[in-house]
Amino acid sequence: GPKVLQIPSHQIIDMGQMVTLNCDPVSNHLYFYWYKQILGQQMEFLVNFYNGKVMEKSKLFKDQFSVERPDGSYFTLKIQPTALEDSAVYFCASSSDWTRAEQFFGPGTRLTVL
Amino acid sequence: GEKVEQHESTLSVREGDSAVINCTYTDTASSYFPWYKQEAGKSLHFVIDIRSNVDRKQSQRLIVLLDKKAKRFSLHITATQPEDSAIYFCAASMSSNNRIFFGDGTQLVVKP
Repeated sequence: GPKVLQIPSHQIIDMGQMVTLNCDPVSNHLYFYWYKQILGQQMEFLVNFYNGKVMEKSKLFKDQFSVERPDGSYFTLKIQPTALEDSAVYFCASSSDWTRAEQFFGPGTRLTVL
Repeated sequence: GEKVEQHESTLSVREGDSAVINCTYTDTASSYFPWYKQEAGKSLHFVIDIRSNVDRKQSQRLIVLLDKKAKRFSLHITATQPEDSAIYFCAASMSSNNRIFFGDGTQLVVKP
């Protein structure tokens, strides 16, 4: 079936550095999402994105976070600067129809901030 | 905001038996309820969903039930097989936006 890819699978960085997480969504999808899952906790919504704009973001989407999808390439989540509490697995998802809400998820990027 | 609770953190059944995973939600505005499965080391995989205009939906061995009054929904897996073993997540979403609220997941183990 359709696949969402995420690069890298693991990333370890020092607190205060910048990190960019990359998502390669399903090719004909137009809606994109990021979710965050801290170890042992629920998966939580961060942000969704359509037509070059953030449509909705949660309180977890701090000012240090930004998303973009320049020229139809990767959908990225950038964190600058990173903090210890940003350590989590970040899942990207994409969907083809806003109202259907059937989202296809990537395998996640495990981010460790030291 | 919406809060989805998944009642069983682990569930163990014998192959061939049925498994039932129960969830509740809080927001009456939620109208879309997908279920996802996550096998070890893999990403979330959509399995089935139900919308608030129906109270039952079946896809092969999977049945989802929705009780809007009680704000409860459940996933029934009939004739379970070892390959059904995974973590199952229930979720809720409102029709006006696509933000999904997840439960904590249920680890289903199907013993041969």
